[in-house]
Amino acid sequence: EVQLVESGGGLVQPGRSLRLSCAASGFTFDDYAMHWVRQAPGKGLEWVSGISWNSDNMDYADSVKGRFTISRDNAKNSLSLQMNSLRPEDTAFYYCAKDTGRGWNYFDCWGQGTLVTVSS
Amino acid sequence: DIQMTQSPSTLSASVGDRVTITCRASESIKTWLAWYQQKPGKAPQVLIYKASSLESGVPSRFSGSGSGTEFTLTISSLQPDDFATYYCQQYKRYPCFGGGTKVVIK
Repeated sequence: EVQLVESGGGLVQPGRSLRLSCAASGFTFDDYAMHWVRQAPGKGLEWVSGISWNSDNMDYADSVKGRFTISRDNAKNSLSLQMNSLRPEDTAFYYCAKDTGRGWNYFDCWGQGTLVTVSS
Repeated sequence: DIQMTQSPSTLSASVGDRVTITCRASESIKTWLAWYQQKPGKAPQVLIYKASSLESGVPSRFSGSGSGTEFTLTISSLQPDDFATYYCQQYKRYPCFGGGTKVVIK
């Protein structure tokens, strides 16, 4: 069974950093691109970042470019999102999502999400 | 950047109704479009990919159509389990979602 489990969310002050992790199982991790998608409470979905199967390509939404860094460890079947210079508007549930291919496609499996709250 | 616009933002319907949701792209995305269903407190689940292909395990009352800039998701006969929020997503370039359509009980 394909499973994605996020961790690392919590309450953080504006300007501080947080690192999210996603543990993957049930599929050949290094065959697929992976993504982070966020959802502010009561709002819609926003794609945040994606990384290709071999880490050659990474992309970011304009809202997080220069502040967030996506990475993956194929040996450990894990995906990470380093979030720096956090802002109140970064408050959201962050989902890890599995791509259906090696580049940018649609997402066929999502984690349960981890909540990041940016507040003083 | 490609922008995705969904309409309506909220739709009131009854069980058994035929429901149609529209998604428009700011430029042609050919058929690089997926539809997702999200229920409160849950992660989204894909229903349709490549504009009209039904994801495995999804009931056949869901269908998608369109190409270029205009797309529709149709639920042929709304069931109690279908009251949820629906999102379109283009994947011609980096992924981008529509604003969502919440289907509520009339």
